[in-house]
Amino acid sequence: DIQLTQSPSFLSASVGDRVTVSCRASQAISTYVAWYQQKPGRAPKLLIYSASTLQTGVPSRFSGSGSETEFTLTISSLQPEDSASYYCQQLNRYPFTFGGGTKVEIQ
Amino acid sequence: QVQLQQSGPGLVKPSQTLSLTCTVSGGSINSGDHYWSWIRQSPGKGLEWIGYIYYSGNTYYNPSLKSRVTISIDTSQNQFSLKLSSVTASDTALYYCARDDYGGNSVNWGQGTLVIVSS
Repeated sequence: DIQLTQSPSFLSASVGDRVTVSCRASQAISTYVAWYQQKPGRAPKLLIYSASTLQTGVPSRFSGSGSETEFTLTISSLQPEDSASYYCQQLNRYPFTFGGGTKVEIQ
Repeated sequence: QVQLQQSGPGLVKPSQTLSLTCTVSGGSINSGDHYWSWIRQSPGKGLEWIGYIYYSGNTYYNPSLKSRVTISIDTSQNQFSLKLSSVTASDTALYYCARDDYGGNSVNWGQGTLVIVSS
């Protein structure tokens, strides 16, 4: 199985900060990466697919980049409603796998 | 707007079979544009992809669960189901159904069902 390693596992930042979350794949996966946001008690929500394509309705402060083994989710200006956990997922090879998650806290 | 509503017991005894159903509204499960998947989440294993089914009945299962998993589809009821046999405490998790686009991205999710395996 393809392993996805996210870093950091936790970060605390202030409103307005630029925040980046990394996802590293154990082997090359082209751009077959999705990013999800999950708030407590809620199902995950798709933010980005194909590494950099913003899902309809997702604020433009979210962006994704990367290819092969290194991927990044960026929040350009952190907002209070962005407090959540974020997960990457690879869709290049079965079985699809997820990263361990990054919890983002607002200071 | 497509909605997925999950149903099924929240408590299953060890060695028995976990059964969950996901009913789709606001869209047809017969759509050839989507896959219908199950994903689970536990504190110990994080998010784990269980498998998917296509409207034609074609399935793909996570090899780690393949011997115990069955995903089926009932197009007449616009629903799909998960069965996981011979459950143990390690199968305790929050189970989600989802509608995936053709790339496998999970666009719509059910509300989640916490299933506890305990006698």
